Amino acid sequence: AQTVTQSQPEMSVQEAETVTLSCTYDTSESDYYLFWYKQPPSRQMILVIRQEAYKQQNATENRFSVNFQKAAKSFSLKISDSQLGDAAMYFCAYRSLAKGGSEKLVFGKGTKLTVNP
Amino acid sequence: KAGVTQTPRYLIKTRGQQVTLSCSPISGHRSVSWYQQTPGQGLQFLFEYFSETQRNKGNFPGRFSGRQFSNSRSEMNVSTLELGDSALYLCASRYSSDGNTIYFGEGSWLTVV
Repeated sequence: AQTVTQSQPEMSVQEAETVTLSCTYDTSESDYYLFWYKQPPSRQMILVIRQEAYKQQNATENRFSVNFQKAAKSFSLKISDSQLGDAAMYFCAYRSLAKGGSEKLVFGKGTKLTVNP
Repeated sequence: KAGVTQTPRYLIKTRGQQVTLSCSPISGHRSVSWYQQTPGQGLQFLFEYFSETQRNKGNFPGRFSGRQFSNSRSEMNVSTLELGDSALYLCASRYSSDGNTIYFGEGSWLTVV
């Protein structure tokens, strides 16, 4: 079974600074997706960024980028120019692409990000 | 385009009762899945439905059940509620069985007293 580990329960960053959230995962599969979701106090899960395992190029979405190291099974999220609105719980998630597999997401425990003005 | 809609948003039930939660996916989305979120266990997968068929189920007791209708709307039911069932129940939808992007609703907060 796949597992996702987020080793930083809490992180803080100054507004306009850069912060990196860590995520490692364990799988024996070669095809999968990795995601970062943001959950603000409203509790709605919002997709931040997605990475397909077969792509070597790291995904980027505006101020958000990932460092995907497939061999090391590492998937960190970098937030540049942090804004107060970035404060939230961030979840790393894995989804199998195995043939016949389900769309089940396996989540890490989350990292609470605080942005200080 | 409307997002994933979950009803009710908040509810309080008594131990032993049953509850039904509803989820309307984004228009055109045929896959619906449910997750339970608690402080202790985090986010855990409950079920996945595609075209009215359950494709996968998580490690939950049989008190947790679900279904999907022909219009892709889904319901989940929890019978004989226990205090530990208190949680945020999140529904998610995506376009197809291999669609890449999964969209979540705002969740249904269930408190069991």
